[in-house]
Amino acid sequence: DADVTQTPRNRITKTGKRIMLECSQTKGHDRMYWYRQDPGLGLRLIYYSFDVKDINKGEISDGYSVSRQAQAKFSLSLESAIPNQTALYFCATSSTDTQYFGPGTRLTVL
Amino acid sequence: AQSVAQPEDQVNVAEGNPLTVKCTYSVSGNPYLFWYVQYPNRGLQFLLKYITGDNLVKGSYGFEAEFNKSQTSFHLKKPSALVSDSALYFCAVRDMRTGFQKLVFGTGTRLLVSP
Repeated sequence: DADVTQTPRNRITKTGKRIMLECSQTKGHDRMYWYRQDPGLGLRLIYYSFDVKDINKGEISDGYSVSRQAQAKFSLSLESAIPNQTALYFCATSSTDTQYFGPGTRLTVL
Repeated sequence: AQSVAQPEDQVNVAEGNPLTVKCTYSVSGNPYLFWYVQYPNRGLQFLLKYITGDNLVKGSYGFEAEFNKSQTSFHLKKPSALVSDSALYFCAVRDMRTGFQKLVFGTGTRLLVSP
């Protein structure tokens, strides 16, 4: 969905490096989410946010942190990247039950 | 716990034939069920959802899904498959334990439509 953008689209980094993935949306939604996708595991929720003052951990938040800088921006950080964080990361937004996804960031940690 | 299961990793079908991608669910209370599709190098796109009402839900690109409460299933169907339908399909259920609109996704089913 072009209304949800993610940067960068691809990133290769080394173990121990700090990395930030950014998400922006123009849909005016208040709810935002970060997921990771791994083959055979589907999508798993990392963090979610109701608004700029509300941040919640998902099922796999260890090793990750987030920042909701504004209603339209939600960033995911890996403070010290490790190889098992290699995955496809998706941002999503919603105002009702339906979530709308960005194009994803493919992250490789060497 | 709220969960969905997609028992098939891959479904193969010839173009023009009907297709079914299976999903079963486990929830407490009434389920909110969703289907999403992921094309190569793209994010997930919403196809359809069941909240309440008619058990046959129609969605995008000619897809439909049938909600069956007795079998706890929500199978995705299309009467005539296209090669362009080849993609990864995810079933999801809303996590009703919280007021927040969290979704729990299945592991995905890859659909391959051959010419």
